[in-house]
Amino acid sequence: GDSVTQMEGPVTLSEEAFLTINCTYTATGYPSLFWYVQYPGEGLQLLLKATKADDKGSNKGFEATYRKETTSFHLEKGSVQVSDSAVYFCALNTGANSKLTFGKGITLSVRP
Amino acid sequence: SAVISQKPSRDICQRGTSLTIQCQVDSQVTMMFWYRQQPGQSLTLIATANQGSEATYESGFVIDKFPISRPNLTFSTLTVSNMSPEDSSIYLCSVEGASSGDYNEQFFGPGTRLTVL
Repeated sequence: GDSVTQMEGPVTLSEEAFLTINCTYTATGYPSLFWYVQYPGEGLQLLLKATKADDKGSNKGFEATYRKETTSFHLEKGSVQVSDSAVYFCALNTGANSKLTFGKGITLSVRP
Repeated sequence: SAVISQKPSRDICQRGTSLTIQCQVDSQVTMMFWYRQQPGQSLTLIATANQGSEATYESGFVIDKFPISRPNLTFSTLTVSNMSPEDSSIYLCSVEGASSGDYNEQFFGPGTRLTVL
């Protein structure tokens, strides 16, 4: 079945540090890939997405590239801010019943 | 994007009771989804609810425990029945967004935080 694996957390960084959060997947067919973010006390929000190989999703300074050869969709940001502190979920959708499969999520804390 | 509201936002319930969670969307949508997020865990899909048909449940979830209604294209309810402390979770509804490609993205409600004593 479909699955998403995220690196173990939590992650603590200083402001302006470089961020990488790893995500790899297993899926039948050709999935769309997503990063969702959950800020403290808030609901889940779509951060970015990519629908085919080599696509790069980007939003709010975050980027992720759909790498079919390595089945990965790593999230990066060049300079994190305190306001980026949140839980980040990698997810995929193969279109079968539109079901989203999520990774375990990782908590990012950014220190001033 | 869709604007989704859920009621209640949180509740504390006694073991053995039931709670119905409401999900309201500001536009008509075909598919609505209910997820559970247990403490410190990821989101797990409970069921998919299409208007006018029975909900489709994922493995490990049954209708007797989590009955779902979908009376129209903007509303759904999830009931957590005969609750136990293991049901303490955040319950989220989501809907498909407008198609922009092969696959639809989903938009999530703010969640209902349930604590069962």
